[in-house]
Amino acid sequence: DAGITQSPRHKVTETGTPVTLRCHQTENHRYMYWYRQDPGHGLRLIHYSYGVKDTDKGEVSDGYSVSRSKTEDFLLTLESATSSQTSVYFCAISPGFDLAHTGKTYNEQFFGPGTRLTVL
Amino acid sequence: AQSVSQHNHHVILSEAASLELGCNYSYGGTVNLFWYVQYPGQHLQLLLKYFSGDPLVKGIKGFEAEFIKSKFSFNLRKPSVQWSDTAEYFCAVNVGNTDKLIFGTGTRLQVFP
Repeated sequence: DAGITQSPRHKVTETGTPVTLRCHQTENHRYMYWYRQDPGHGLRLIHYSYGVKDTDKGEVSDGYSVSRSKTEDFLLTLESATSSQTSVYFCAISPGFDLAHTGKTYNEQFFGPGTRLTVL
Repeated sequence: AQSVSQHNHHVILSEAASLELGCNYSYGGTVNLFWYVQYPGQHLQLLLKYFSGDPLVKGIKGFEAEFIKSKFSFNLRKPSVQWSDTAEYFCAVNVGNTDKLIFGTGTRLQVFP
């Protein structure tokens, strides 16, 4: 398994409090992603990063912010948690490199163990 | 917008039955295709992937998938399922050499002994 850890693994918090989730990788991969997984929705991309200090929004970014100050760490922050943000959060990483110098990237993603967040 | 459809939301099979899970995507250009599996309480793991070449791709644990470009499909198959295949299966597509994957909503497979 790829070297990806997420912390905390479980968290219960109250509405209105800030929450930060951490993803740490030891693979030196360029790309890092945050997803949320909810029944009936599969995985939805929140934010992703394509390098240190380079981030972009996904399809469900409202209410979330991210930061990446080092290659190995990607933080997801809920500035003011709401009950609708109760979910399982997965981090993923990808090398995104050009395997055969064809100009193509191969976006195989490797997933972390997940963080179960409950907002009361 | 690009999308991925998995029409089978919940599949129930007996051991030794054959499996086929559907995956269709909406994008007319170059695609990279993936099937991921999530066992109960665990994270997603890659089952197989298609980038180019032979459209019949073999993955781990006896799974295979066939890319049919004309049908925009990438269906997952296994000739004989086992109880240990009980899991949720996700199809994902990377379109146009972008940095992102688009996931389907998943298919929950239950296999009974």
